[in-house]
Amino acid sequence: GIQVEQSPPDLILQEGANSTLRCNFSDSVNNLQWFHQNPWGQLINLFYIPSGTKQNGRLSATTVATERYSLLYISSSQTTDSGVYFCAGVREKLVFGKGTKLTVNP
Amino acid sequence: ETGVTQSPTHLIKTRGQQVTLRCSSQSGHNTVSWYQQALGQGPQFIFQYYREEENGRGNFPPRFSGLQFPNYSSELNVNALELDDSALYLCASSLNRGTDTQYFGPGTRLTVL
Repeated sequence: GIQVEQSPPDLILQEGANSTLRCNFSDSVNNLQWFHQNPWGQLINLFYIPSGTKQNGRLSATTVATERYSLLYISSSQTTDSGVYFCAGVREKLVFGKGTKLTVNP
Repeated sequence: ETGVTQSPTHLIKTRGQQVTLRCSSQSGHNTVSWYQQALGQGPQFIFQYYREEENGRGNFPPRFSGLQFPNYSSELNVNALELDDSALYLCASSLNRGTDTQYFGPGTRLTVL
């Protein structure tokens, strides 16, 4: 099956800073999703992005399917952005990376 | 429109016992997938149900079993609980099987003592 690698594993920012999270996948995928997991465990959908670029407020994502990677950009970070960010690729099933733990300090 | 719901929120069991977790899919969704998330790890796919039939299974032993009902709600059953089964169990529903966006419930945190 496909392997999904995320980097960096941990990221600490000051409020207001920008960041880029990366997701590499070992084989082509039919779909790619980005999630934010809050401290209570809820996985919140951020983007469904098999290819191209999408933006939603301060967040945007780009997937380059031919090069098997996706990037999540967070601009002007806020303390509420803290949590774990997961990407997941789909072939026959959804395969998650190990996540990037983001801590935004005030 | 109601989102994905799961019950119970928390559960404590002892080794060897059996447990049933429940999931109600989002309105209009006919596909439910179950995931196990150990502490510090990403969710791992257990299995998926589409229109009451199993539609794919991950690398989990047969003591993990499931059901989907005509209203598309679902159950996850785990027999002969082991300490390593302690985890957050997540249910996700999607409009259809395949590559449709999956929407996750809040999870059930299972502790096995």
